[in-house]
Amino acid sequence: DTGVSQDPRHKITKRGQNVTFRCDPISEHNRLYWYRQTLGQGPEFLTYFQNEAQLEKSRLLSDRFSAERPKGSFSTLEIQRTEQGDSAMYLCASSVTGGSPYGYTFGSGTRLTVV
Amino acid sequence: GQQLNQSPQSMFIQEGEDVSMNCTSSSIFNTWLWYKQDPGEGPVLLIALYKAGELTSNGRLTAQFGITRKDSFLNISASIPSDVGIYFCAGSLYGGSQGNLIFGKGTKLSVKP
Repeated sequence: DTGVSQDPRHKITKRGQNVTFRCDPISEHNRLYWYRQTLGQGPEFLTYFQNEAQLEKSRLLSDRFSAERPKGSFSTLEIQRTEQGDSAMYLCASSVTGGSPYGYTFGSGTRLTVV
Repeated sequence: GQQLNQSPQSMFIQEGEDVSMNCTSSSIFNTWLWYKQDPGEGPVLLIALYKAGELTSNGRLTAQFGITRKDSFLNISASIPSDVGIYFCAGSLYGGSQGNLIFGKGTKLSVKP
Protein backbone atom coordinates (compact mmCIF):
# COMPACT_ATOMS: atom_id res chain seq x y z
CA ASP A 1 0.00 0.00 0.00
CA THR A 2 1.33 3.42 -0.91
CA GLY A 3 -0.29 5.39 1.90
CA VAL A 4 -3.15 7.87 1.88
CA SER A 5 -3.83 9.19 -1.62
CA GLN A 6 -5.55 12.48 -2.39
CA ASP A 7 -6.75 13.73 -5.73
CA PRO A 8 -6.31 16.25 -7.20
CA ARG A 9 -3.13 17.69 -5.68
CA HIS A 10 -4.04 21.18 -6.84
CA LYS A 11 -7.33 22.76 -7.84
CA ILE A 12 -7.99 26.28 -9.08
CA THR A 13 -11.63 27.27 -9.31
CA LYS A 14 -13.69 30.38 -9.81
CA ARG A 15 -15.70 31.76 -6.95
CA GLY A 16 -19.17 30.28 -6.89
CA GLN A 17 -18.21 26.96 -8.48
CA ASN A 18 -18.55 23.60 -6.72
CA VAL A 19 -15.48 21.44 -6.13
CA THR A 20 -15.04 17.85 -5.00
CA PHE A 21 -11.91 16.22 -3.60
CA ARG A 22 -11.22 12.53 -3.25
CA CYS A 23 -9.30 10.63 -0.56
CA ASP A 24 -8.27 6.98 -0.73
CA PRO A 25 -7.17 5.79 2.71
CA ILE A 26 -4.76 2.99 3.55
CA SER A 27 -6.74 -0.12 2.67
CA GLU A 28 -7.10 -1.68 6.12
CA HIS A 29 -7.89 1.61 7.87
CA ASN A 30 -11.50 1.96 8.99
CA ARG A 31 -11.28 5.59 10.13
CA LEU A 32 -10.95 8.52 7.77
CA TYR A 33 -10.53 12.19 8.70
CA TRP A 34 -10.69 15.50 6.85
CA TYR A 35 -8.71 18.56 7.96
CA ARG A 36 -8.26 22.05 6.51
CA GLN A 37 -4.98 23.94 6.74
CA THR A 38 -4.71 27.63 5.89
CA LEU A 39 -1.43 29.44 5.37
CA GLY A 40 0.59 29.78 8.55
CA GLN A 41 -1.78 27.64 10.59
CA GLY A 42 -1.90 24.07 11.79
CA PRO A 43 -4.45 21.63 10.40
CA GLU A 44 -8.01 22.16 11.62
CA PHE A 45 -10.30 19.15 12.04
CA LEU A 46 -13.45 19.10 9.89
CA THR A 47 -15.07 15.67 10.06
CA TYR A 48 -14.39 11.95 10.36
CA PHE A 49 -15.84 8.57 9.42
CA GLN A 50 -15.69 5.14 10.93
CA ASN A 51 -16.36 2.82 8.04
CA GLU A 52 -19.25 4.50 6.19
CA ALA A 53 -20.68 6.25 9.25
CA GLN A 54 -19.92 9.96 9.67
CA LEU A 55 -19.38 10.20 13.42
CA GLU A 56 -18.52 13.87 13.74
CA LYS A 57 -19.54 16.64 11.40
CA SER A 58 -20.23 19.59 13.66
CA ARG A 59 -16.84 21.08 12.77
CA LEU A 60 -17.64 21.37 9.08
CA LEU A 61 -17.22 25.06 8.37
CA SER A 62 -20.64 25.73 6.89
CA ASP A 63 -23.51 23.95 5.18
CA ARG A 64 -21.61 24.44 1.92
CA PHE A 65 -19.24 21.69 3.06
CA SER A 66 -20.23 18.04 2.93
CA ALA A 67 -18.40 14.73 3.01
CA GLU A 68 -19.29 11.17 2.09
CA ARG A 69 -17.78 7.74 2.42
CA PRO A 70 -20.45 5.60 0.78
CA LYS A 71 -18.84 2.18 0.91
CA GLY A 72 -16.47 2.69 3.78
CA SER A 73 -13.48 2.94 1.48
CA PHE A 74 -12.69 6.21 -0.35
CA SER A 75 -14.22 9.51 0.72
CA THR A 76 -15.15 12.73 -1.03
CA LEU A 77 -15.28 16.27 0.34
CA GLU A 78 -17.47 18.70 -1.57
CA ILE A 79 -17.55 22.47 -1.25
CA GLN A 80 -20.49 24.18 -2.92
CA ARG A 81 -20.53 27.80 -4.07
CA THR A 82 -16.86 28.30 -3.26
CA GLU A 83 -15.65 31.54 -1.70
CA GLN A 84 -12.17 33.04 -1.66
CA GLY A 85 -11.92 32.20 2.03
CA ASP A 86 -12.13 28.52 1.14
CA SER A 87 -8.63 28.69 -0.36
CA ALA A 88 -6.56 26.28 1.73
CA MET A 89 -4.92 22.88 1.83
CA TYR A 90 -7.42 20.09 2.48
CA LEU A 91 -5.80 17.12 4.18
CA CYS A 92 -7.14 13.61 4.58
CA ALA A 93 -5.89 11.11 7.16
CA SER A 94 -6.75 7.53 8.03
CA SER A 95 -6.23 5.20 10.97
CA VAL A 96 -7.33 1.97 12.57
CA THR A 97 -9.61 2.10 15.59
CA GLY A 98 -7.55 1.33 18.67
CA GLY A 99 -4.32 1.34 16.72
CA SER A 100 -1.11 3.19 17.42
CA PRO A 101 -1.00 6.92 16.70
CA TYR A 102 1.96 6.13 14.47
CA GLY A 103 -0.62 4.58 12.17
CA TYR A 104 -2.62 7.83 11.91
CA THR A 105 -1.38 8.75 8.45
CA PHE A 106 -1.93 11.96 6.50
CA GLY A 107 -2.09 12.29 2.75
CA SER A 108 -0.24 15.01 0.82
CA GLY A 109 -3.35 17.15 0.58
CA THR A 110 -5.32 19.00 -2.08
CA ARG A 111 -4.45 22.66 -2.40
CA LEU A 112 -7.51 24.71 -3.38
CA THR A 113 -7.24 28.21 -4.80
CA VAL A 114 -10.45 30.14 -5.34
CA VAL A 115 -10.10 33.09 -7.71
CA GLY B 1 -11.28 26.53 15.99
CA GLN B 2 -9.37 25.63 19.15
CA GLN B 3 -5.58 25.62 18.78
CA LEU B 4 -2.60 25.07 20.97
CA ASN B 5 -0.06 27.80 21.78
CA GLN B 6 3.21 26.82 20.17
CA SER B 7 6.49 28.71 20.47
CA PRO B 8 8.66 29.97 19.01
CA GLN B 9 6.91 30.70 15.71
CA SER B 10 10.19 30.45 13.83
CA MET B 11 13.87 29.99 14.48
CA PHE B 12 17.16 30.09 12.63
CA ILE B 13 19.94 27.96 13.95
CA GLN B 14 23.42 26.92 12.99
CA GLU B 15 23.95 23.33 11.89
CA GLY B 16 24.96 21.27 14.91
CA GLU B 17 23.04 23.36 17.43
CA ASP B 18 20.32 22.00 19.66
CA VAL B 19 16.73 23.19 19.20
CA SER B 20 13.89 23.42 21.67
CA MET B 21 10.23 24.23 21.09
CA ASN B 22 7.16 23.91 23.27
CA CYS B 23 3.43 23.80 23.26
CA THR B 24 0.86 24.79 25.88
CA SER B 25 -2.88 24.40 26.18
CA SER B 26 -5.63 25.55 28.48
CA SER B 27 -7.13 22.06 28.19
CA ILE B 28 -5.88 18.69 29.39
CA PHE B 29 -4.94 16.15 26.74
CA ASN B 30 -4.47 12.41 27.05
CA THR B 31 -2.02 12.21 24.16
CA TRP B 32 0.53 14.68 22.85
CA LEU B 33 1.96 14.28 19.36
CA TRP B 34 4.74 16.02 17.45
CA TYR B 35 4.62 16.22 13.64
CA LYS B 36 6.94 17.56 10.94
CA GLN B 37 5.57 18.96 7.69
CA ASP B 38 7.62 19.59 4.58
CA PRO B 39 6.39 22.02 1.89
CA GLY B 40 3.54 20.59 -0.17
CA GLU B 41 3.23 17.47 1.97
CA GLY B 42 1.07 16.25 4.81
CA PRO B 43 2.31 16.11 8.42
CA VAL B 44 4.42 13.11 9.42
CA LEU B 45 4.35 11.87 13.02
CA LEU B 46 7.68 12.09 14.86
CA ILE B 47 6.85 11.21 18.46
CA ALA B 48 3.73 10.21 20.42
CA LEU B 49 3.39 10.68 24.19
CA TYR B 50 0.76 8.91 26.27
CA LYS B 51 1.39 9.60 29.95
CA ALA B 52 2.00 12.69 32.04
CA GLY B 53 5.71 13.05 32.71
CA GLU B 54 6.68 10.66 29.93
CA LEU B 55 9.97 11.38 28.18
CA THR B 56 10.41 9.72 24.77
CA SER B 57 13.24 9.78 22.23
CA ASN B 58 13.34 9.07 18.51
CA GLY B 59 16.91 9.38 17.29
CA ARG B 60 18.00 12.98 17.80
CA LEU B 61 14.50 13.99 18.89
CA THR B 62 13.31 13.99 22.48
CA ALA B 63 9.85 15.01 23.66
CA GLN B 64 8.15 15.21 27.03
CA PHE B 65 4.52 15.12 28.14
CA GLY B 66 4.10 17.75 30.86
CA ILE B 67 3.03 16.73 34.35
CA THR B 68 -0.03 18.96 34.20
CA ARG B 69 -1.03 17.32 30.86
CA LYS B 70 -1.34 20.84 29.45
CA ASP B 71 2.06 21.16 27.84
CA SER B 72 4.80 19.39 25.94
CA PHE B 73 8.22 20.18 24.55
CA LEU B 74 10.34 18.86 21.69
CA ASN B 75 14.13 18.97 21.55
CA ILE B 76 16.26 18.31 18.48
CA SER B 77 19.90 17.69 19.15
CA ALA B 78 22.77 18.40 16.75
CA SER B 79 20.54 19.84 14.01
CA ILE B 80 21.27 19.06 10.35
CA PRO B 81 20.00 20.72 7.15
CA SER B 82 17.26 18.13 6.62
CA ASP B 83 15.66 19.18 9.91
CA VAL B 84 14.32 22.23 8.04
CA GLY B 85 10.54 22.28 8.01
CA ILE B 86 7.55 23.14 10.14
CA TYR B 87 7.04 21.30 13.40
CA PHE B 88 3.56 20.99 14.85
CA CYS B 89 2.39 19.84 18.23
CA ALA B 90 -1.02 18.20 18.43
CA GLY B 91 -3.19 17.11 21.31
CA SER B 92 -5.77 14.40 21.50
CA LEU B 93 -8.36 13.56 24.10
CA TYR B 94 -8.13 9.94 22.97
CA GLY B 95 -5.41 7.42 22.31
CA GLY B 96 -4.03 9.32 19.35
CA SER B 97 -5.42 6.92 16.80
CA GLN B 98 -9.03 7.92 17.28
CA GLY B 99 -10.97 11.09 16.85
CA ASN B 100 -9.77 14.51 15.95
CA LEU B 101 -6.42 16.11 16.70
CA ILE B 102 -5.98 19.73 17.78
CA PHE B 103 -2.88 21.33 16.30
CA GLY B 104 -0.63 24.23 17.21
CA LYS B 105 0.31 26.88 14.66
CA GLY B 106 3.72 25.39 14.10
CA THR B 107 7.38 26.29 14.56
CA LYS B 108 9.23 26.96 11.32
CA LEU B 109 12.81 25.74 11.56
CA SER B 110 15.49 27.05 9.23
CA VAL B 111 19.07 25.86 9.47
CA LYS B 112 22.00 27.90 8.29
CA PRO B 113 24.39 25.59 6.40
